[in-house]
Amino acid sequence: DAKTTQPNSMESNEEEPVHLPCNHSTISGTDYIHWYRQLPSQGPEYVIHGLTSNVNNRMASLAIAEDRKSSTLILHRATLRDAAVYYCILRDRTDYGGSQGNLIFGKGTKLSVKP
Amino acid sequence: ETGVTQTPRHLVMGMTNKKSLKCEQHLGHNAMYWYKQSAKKPLELMFVYNFKEQTENNSVPSRFSPECPNSSHLFLHLHTLQPEDSALYLCASSQDLGRPLHFGDGTRLSIL
Repeated sequence: DAKTTQPNSMESNEEEPVHLPCNHSTISGTDYIHWYRQLPSQGPEYVIHGLTSNVNNRMASLAIAEDRKSSTLILHRATLRDAAVYYCILRDRTDYGGSQGNLIFGKGTKLSVKP
Repeated sequence: ETGVTQTPRHLVMGMTNKKSLKCEQHLGHNAMYWYKQSAKKPLELMFVYNFKEQTENNSVPSRFSPECPNSSHLFLHLHTLQPEDSALYLCASSQDLGRPLHFGDGTRLSIL
């Protein structure tokens, strides 16, 4: 069962910030929020993950709502290479290797970037 | 270069053939995975191996048979496949079960 809800598609302009939303209203206290993306003709690629606090890395930032029922992946300056399907996934940190701890993909958000 | 190499990249086979997909990683990871990605459908987890032991079989038909001889190699043996098995088969590895996954670019399988 999909535990996250994402828009099917989004568009952005090159060089502008992009905010990709994800709703996870049934998140449990032991769920990490993970983001992956899949570029055309490639396997998925890890982007970022977090539990409660906002997280930053070289690829993106992850903003997590205070009640943890939603999160936003932020690409600070979109490039054409960021056009991909972005997946928001919950993983139960107490069940790695089990059904709730495995990486289970939904449909994701297809991001288009216009020059 | 993802660190996870899958061969072949493309495979066309008949329903009565037997073939194998190969996945190799030299990242020193302990866990390996097979996923299936069909057109217009989300990725589906098939199998999980941790330290060469299978920890997850996600109700996969027996015509798909995984093999993990060591932590660096993972195979998917195929026999008597159906047309609906045509898909992109993705291999991934992770340092441990809870760490981020590194995916290969997949084998595009077509069943005639």
